[in-house]
Amino acid sequence: AQRVTQPEKLLSVFKGAPVELKCNYSYSGSPELFWYVQYSRQRLQLLLRHISRESIKGFTADLNKGETSFHLKKPFAQEEDSAMYYCALGFFQGAQKLVFGQGTRLTINP
Amino acid sequence: KAGVTQTPRYLIKTRGQQVTLSCSPISGHRSVSWYQQTPGQGLQFLFEYFSETQRNKGNFPGRFSGRQFSNSRSEMNVSTLELGDSALYLCASSPGGGANYGYTFGSGTRLTVV
Repeated sequence: AQRVTQPEKLLSVFKGAPVELKCNYSYSGSPELFWYVQYSRQRLQLLLRHISRESIKGFTADLNKGETSFHLKKPFAQEEDSAMYYCALGFFQGAQKLVFGQGTRLTINP
Repeated sequence: KAGVTQTPRYLIKTRGQQVTLSCSPISGHRSVSWYQQTPGQGLQFLFEYFSETQRNKGNFPGRFSGRQFSNSRSEMNVSTLELGDSALYLCASSPGGGANYGYTFGSGTRLTVV
């Protein structure tokens, strides 16, 4: 079955420190992977997708098919990065499907 | 262009009542998905519609239903409300079709059942 695992429910780092939010997935086909972010009192929004290989707000994520991982990284955390982060696996099997992990709440301490 | 619009933003209902939530997708998007978000369960998939057809359904009881209109607008209905149905209900739209482009989410409807 398709599954996304985010092992850390809570992650707290200091401003300026590196950040890594872990995501592992289970899918036998060719996955589409995404990171979504939800800032306080705002809507869930797409942060980045692996296929575009872009960097948004200093965040990057590399798909590692061997380790079935898609970890989100940022070299220097900023206070405005505090939010809820969701990793998601997208695929098409007769219908469009997007499976979310449980999310990681990231807190950046000043 | 306008984003995904969900109405109403907030709802308070009594156990046993029924409720209808509305979602207007981004213009041109043909796929609409619904999710239930709760602190304990996270984001749980409800169903996905494409061109007025339900293509996929999550593991929710039959009290949860939905539909999509010819203009891609979608509604979801919950009948015989239970306290556990209290949640943020999110609608997401995407171009649809055979590729997965990721979704654009609305702000959600917060349903409180008392």
